[in-house]
Amino acid sequence: DGGITQSPKYLFRKEGQNVTLSCEQNLNHDAMYWYRQDPGQGLRLIYYSQIVNDFQKGDIAEGYSVSREKKESFPLTVTSAQKNPTAFYLCASSKGAGLAETQYFGPGTRLLVL
Amino acid sequence: GQQVMQIPQYQHVQEGEDFTTYCNSSTTLSNIQWYKQRPGGHPVFLIQLVKSGEVKKQKRLTFQFGEAKKNSSLHITATQTTDVGTYFCAEAAGNKLTFGGGTRVLVKP
Repeated sequence: DGGITQSPKYLFRKEGQNVTLSCEQNLNHDAMYWYRQDPGQGLRLIYYSQIVNDFQKGDIAEGYSVSREKKESFPLTVTSAQKNPTAFYLCASSKGAGLAETQYFGPGTRLLVL
Repeated sequence: GQQVMQIPQYQHVQEGEDFTTYCNSSTTLSNIQWYKQRPGGHPVFLIQLVKSGEVKKQKRLTFQFGEAKKNSSLHITATQTTDVGTYFCAEAAGNKLTFGGGTRVLVKP
């Protein structure tokens, strides 16, 4: 599975709370990504980072925030501004951010808002 | 932005039969990657196609990139129960992947 870990596997959140999803990789990859997957749907890009201390918004960044203080870590915070946060969140990494790079996915975190 | 459309959305296949899933774009694709996601799992990279008309095989799976680089296909022969899952195509453009909606494959034993 490429040495990417995500925790926790399941996460429950009360409305109005911020929660942070962890993503760690030991592949020495430069680029990391966060995707959201809704039931029966494809993957949508939330944020991505090509290098430490730099990140860019993806297609659905509103209500989310990230940081990239270390090469191996790319945590995602789901803020209370995200109105429909229940989803499956997938973190991925690639060696670089070039055109032909393969992405390796973590096992994902399922977030449920109570 | 670039969008890739996958058809069919669902594919019910009798074990032992063949099927094909398609990935289409209205504009020229720089390249195509294919991923497989088992139920409850995460996407796993299968293959990348870059050249016009390229064909690559992995055992019972045959991947093809169209001559005009606007479409790609995945053909599976002699479907097995282990083929169950969702198959995604994705275009790598710039610094990110854009995924299609996937084809969900169910196999009837």
